[in-house]
Amino acid sequence: GQQVMQIPQYQHVQEGEDFTTYCNSSTTLSNIQWYKQRPGGHPVFLIQLVKSGEVKKQKRLTFQFGEAKKNSSLHITATQTTDVGTYFCAGPLGGGADGLTFGKGTHLIIQP
Amino acid sequence: EPEVTQTPSHQVTQMGQEVILRCVPISNHLYFYWYRQILGQKVEFLVSFYNNEISEKSEIFDDQFSVERPDGSNFTLKIRSTKLEDSAMYFCASNPGQVPTGYTFGSGTRLTVV
Repeated sequence: GQQVMQIPQYQHVQEGEDFTTYCNSSTTLSNIQWYKQRPGGHPVFLIQLVKSGEVKKQKRLTFQFGEAKKNSSLHITATQTTDVGTYFCAGPLGGGADGLTFGKGTHLIIQP
Repeated sequence: EPEVTQTPSHQVTQMGQEVILRCVPISNHLYFYWYRQILGQKVEFLVSFYNNEISEKSEIFDDQFSVERPDGSNFTLKIRSTKLEDSAMYFCASNPGQVPTGYTFGSGTRLTVV
Protein backbone atom coordinates (compact mmCIF):
# COMPACT_ATOMS: atom_id res chain seq x y z
CA GLY A 1 0.00 0.00 0.00
CA GLN A 2 0.89 3.64 -0.13
CA GLN A 3 3.65 4.70 2.23
CA VAL A 4 4.63 8.17 3.34
CA MET A 5 8.09 8.48 4.81
CA GLN A 6 9.32 11.44 6.78
CA ILE A 7 12.77 12.47 7.99
CA PRO A 8 14.28 13.26 10.35
CA GLN A 9 12.38 11.63 13.20
CA TYR A 10 13.78 14.11 15.72
CA GLN A 11 15.36 17.52 15.26
CA HIS A 12 16.99 19.51 18.02
CA VAL A 13 17.63 23.16 17.21
CA GLN A 14 18.65 26.25 19.10
CA GLU A 15 16.00 28.93 19.17
CA GLY A 16 16.49 31.14 16.15
CA GLU A 17 17.93 28.39 13.95
CA ASP A 18 16.12 27.10 10.89
CA PHE A 19 14.37 23.73 10.65
CA THR A 20 13.41 21.51 7.73
CA THR A 21 11.45 18.27 7.55
CA TYR A 22 11.18 16.13 4.42
CA CYS A 23 8.42 13.87 3.22
CA ASN A 24 8.51 11.20 0.51
CA SER A 25 5.69 9.13 -0.89
CA SER A 26 5.97 5.76 -2.59
CA THR A 27 3.31 6.88 -5.07
CA THR A 28 2.32 10.11 -6.82
CA LEU A 29 0.00 12.17 -4.64
CA SER A 30 -2.98 14.22 -5.77
CA ASN A 31 -2.23 16.55 -2.87
CA ILE A 32 -0.21 16.64 0.30
CA GLN A 33 -1.20 18.11 3.63
CA TRP A 34 0.84 19.22 6.61
CA TYR A 35 -0.27 19.08 10.22
CA LYS A 36 1.22 20.22 13.50
CA GLN A 37 0.64 18.40 16.76
CA ARG A 38 1.67 20.07 19.99
CA PRO A 39 2.72 17.78 22.86
CA GLY A 40 -0.46 16.26 24.30
CA GLY A 41 -2.57 17.84 21.56
CA HIS A 42 -4.31 16.87 18.37
CA PRO A 43 -3.23 17.33 14.73
CA VAL A 44 -3.96 20.81 13.46
CA PHE A 45 -4.14 21.42 9.73
CA LEU A 46 -1.48 23.79 8.43
CA ILE A 47 -1.71 23.70 4.64
CA GLN A 48 -2.51 21.70 1.55
CA LEU A 49 -0.40 21.62 -1.61
CA VAL A 50 -1.97 20.48 -4.87
CA LYS A 51 0.10 21.60 -7.85
CA SER A 52 3.38 20.19 -9.05
CA GLY A 53 6.25 22.40 -7.87
CA GLU A 54 3.96 24.46 -5.67
CA VAL A 55 5.48 26.68 -2.97
CA LYS A 56 3.38 28.27 -0.25
CA LYS A 57 4.38 30.47 2.66
CA GLN A 58 2.80 31.11 6.02
CA LYS A 59 4.87 33.72 7.85
CA ARG A 60 8.07 31.85 8.79
CA LEU A 61 6.88 28.53 7.32
CA THR A 62 7.59 27.57 3.70
CA PHE A 63 6.01 24.50 2.15
CA GLN A 64 7.08 22.89 -1.11
CA PHE A 65 5.57 20.17 -3.29
CA GLY A 66 7.95 18.37 -5.63
CA GLU A 67 7.69 18.43 -9.40
CA ALA A 68 6.82 14.73 -9.48
CA LYS A 69 4.29 15.20 -6.65
CA LYS A 70 6.02 12.49 -4.61
CA ASN A 71 7.91 14.63 -2.13
CA SER A 72 7.40 17.68 -0.02
CA SER A 73 9.18 19.76 2.56
CA LEU A 74 8.42 22.16 5.37
CA HIS A 75 10.98 24.77 6.29
CA ILE A 76 10.73 27.01 9.34
CA THR A 77 12.93 30.09 9.45
CA ALA A 78 14.23 31.37 12.77
CA THR A 79 12.44 28.92 15.04
CA GLN A 80 10.65 30.10 18.15
CA THR A 81 9.63 28.15 21.24
CA THR A 82 6.04 28.21 19.99
CA ASP A 83 7.13 26.03 17.05
CA VAL A 84 7.71 23.05 19.34
CA GLY A 85 5.70 20.00 18.34
CA THR A 86 5.51 17.21 15.81
CA TYR A 87 5.06 18.03 12.16
CA PHE A 88 3.31 15.44 10.03
CA CYS A 89 2.86 15.24 6.31
CA ALA A 90 -0.12 13.27 5.03
CA GLY A 91 -1.30 12.09 1.65
CA PRO A 92 -4.76 10.94 0.58
CA LEU A 93 -5.44 7.21 0.52
CA GLY A 94 -7.44 7.57 -2.64
CA GLY A 95 -9.51 10.12 -4.44
CA GLY A 96 -12.08 12.52 -3.09
CA ALA A 97 -12.18 12.94 0.65
CA ASP A 98 -10.87 9.54 1.65
CA GLY A 99 -8.72 9.17 4.69
CA LEU A 100 -5.10 10.21 4.97
CA THR A 101 -1.88 8.27 5.26
CA PHE A 102 0.39 10.07 7.70
CA GLY A 103 4.13 10.08 7.86
CA LYS A 104 5.75 9.23 11.19
CA GLY A 105 6.33 12.90 11.86
CA THR A 106 9.31 15.00 12.81
CA HIS A 107 9.55 15.97 16.47
CA LEU A 108 10.94 19.50 16.71
CA ILE A 109 12.68 20.21 19.99
CA ILE A 110 13.88 23.76 20.58
CA GLN A 111 16.57 24.66 23.07
CA PRO A 112 16.34 28.25 24.30
CA GLU B 1 -14.06 28.69 14.78
CA PRO B 2 -16.09 25.45 14.42
CA GLU B 3 -14.75 22.50 16.38
CA VAL B 4 -14.98 18.74 16.39
CA THR B 5 -15.97 17.67 19.90
CA GLN B 6 -15.04 14.33 21.41
CA THR B 7 -16.15 12.67 24.63
CA PRO B 8 -14.92 11.36 26.95
CA SER B 9 -11.41 12.83 27.00
CA HIS B 10 -10.13 9.76 28.83
CA GLN B 11 -11.64 6.28 29.11
CA VAL B 12 -10.24 3.42 31.16
CA THR B 13 -11.73 0.00 30.52
CA GLN B 14 -11.03 -3.60 31.34
CA MET B 15 -9.88 -5.95 28.65
CA GLY B 16 -12.84 -7.62 26.95
CA GLN B 17 -15.24 -4.79 27.69
CA GLU B 18 -17.06 -2.77 25.05
CA VAL B 19 -16.38 0.94 24.69
CA ILE B 20 -18.12 3.64 22.72
CA LEU B 21 -16.24 6.78 21.79
CA ARG B 22 -18.33 9.76 20.81
CA CYS B 23 -17.79 12.63 18.42
CA VAL B 24 -19.76 15.61 17.23
CA PRO B 25 -18.34 16.64 13.84
CA ILE B 26 -18.65 20.11 12.37
CA SER B 27 -22.26 20.50 11.36
CA ASN B 28 -21.93 21.25 7.65
CA HIS B 29 -19.19 18.69 7.02
CA LEU B 30 -20.04 15.63 4.98
CA TYR B 31 -17.17 13.22 5.68
CA PHE B 32 -16.26 11.83 9.07
CA TYR B 33 -13.27 9.81 10.15
CA TRP B 34 -11.70 7.95 13.00
CA TYR B 35 -7.95 7.79 13.45
CA ARG B 36 -5.85 6.40 16.24
CA GLN B 37 -2.42 7.24 17.56
CA ILE B 38 -0.51 4.88 19.79
CA LEU B 39 1.64 6.86 22.20
CA GLY B 40 4.60 8.44 20.43
CA GLN B 41 3.72 7.00 17.06
CA LYS B 42 2.11 8.23 13.87
CA VAL B 43 -1.55 8.91 13.27
CA GLU B 44 -3.23 5.88 11.67
CA PHE B 45 -6.40 5.91 9.58
CA LEU B 46 -9.19 3.64 10.78
CA VAL B 47 -12.33 4.45 8.83
CA SER B 48 -14.12 7.09 6.76
CA PHE B 49 -17.87 7.58 6.74
CA TYR B 50 -20.02 9.35 4.19
CA ASN B 51 -23.73 9.42 3.48
CA ASN B 52 -24.46 7.13 6.41
CA GLU B 53 -22.15 4.37 5.37
CA ILE B 54 -18.50 3.38 5.55
CA SER B 55 -16.58 4.83 2.62
CA GLU B 56 -13.22 3.23 3.34
CA LYS B 57 -11.57 1.32 6.14
CA SER B 58 -8.07 0.20 7.02
CA GLU B 59 -6.75 -3.21 8.01
CA ILE B 60 -6.87 -2.07 11.63
CA PHE B 61 -10.64 -1.66 11.43
CA ASP B 62 -11.58 -5.31 11.88
CA ASP B 63 -14.82 -6.91 13.05
CA GLN B 64 -14.25 -5.64 16.58
CA PHE B 65 -14.83 -2.08 15.38
CA SER B 66 -18.00 -0.42 14.17
CA VAL B 67 -19.13 3.12 13.49
CA GLU B 68 -22.53 4.69 13.62
CA ARG B 69 -24.23 8.02 13.12
CA PRO B 70 -27.23 7.43 15.38
CA ASP B 71 -28.67 10.90 14.91
CA GLY B 72 -27.94 14.01 12.91
CA SER B 73 -25.02 15.14 15.01
CA ASN B 74 -23.22 12.30 16.79
CA PHE B 75 -20.69 9.96 15.22
CA THR B 76 -19.56 7.01 17.33
CA LEU B 77 -16.81 4.41 17.28
CA LYS B 78 -17.54 1.17 19.10
CA ILE B 79 -14.93 -1.38 20.06
CA ARG B 80 -16.74 -4.58 20.93
CA SER B 81 -14.20 -6.46 23.02
CA THR B 82 -11.21 -4.33 23.88
CA LYS B 83 -7.67 -5.68 23.87
CA LEU B 84 -4.58 -4.27 25.55
CA GLU B 85 -3.24 -3.20 22.16
CA ASP B 86 -6.31 -1.01 21.59
CA SER B 87 -4.85 1.43 24.10
CA ALA B 88 -4.27 4.61 22.13
CA MET B 89 -5.51 8.12 21.48
CA TYR B 90 -8.52 8.03 19.19
CA PHE B 91 -9.18 11.10 17.07
CA CYS B 92 -12.35 11.95 15.25
CA ALA B 93 -12.05 14.22 12.22
CA SER B 94 -14.37 15.78 9.71
CA ASN B 95 -14.04 17.32 6.27
CA PRO B 96 -16.40 19.42 4.14
CA GLY B 97 -15.89 16.93 1.32
CA GLN B 98 -16.67 18.97 -1.75
CA VAL B 99 -13.05 19.53 -2.73
CA PRO B 100 -9.90 18.15 -1.15
CA THR B 101 -9.13 20.27 1.88
CA GLY B 102 -7.73 20.02 5.36
CA TYR B 103 -9.30 17.83 8.00
CA THR B 104 -10.44 19.20 11.34
CA PHE B 105 -9.49 16.90 14.20
CA GLY B 106 -11.11 16.68 17.61
CA SER B 107 -9.04 16.82 20.76
CA GLY B 108 -9.18 13.03 21.10
CA THR B 109 -10.16 10.32 23.56
CA ARG B 110 -7.35 8.57 25.36
CA LEU B 111 -8.37 4.92 25.71
CA THR B 112 -6.53 2.84 28.28
CA VAL B 113 -7.27 -0.87 28.36
CA VAL B 114 -6.17 -2.61 31.55
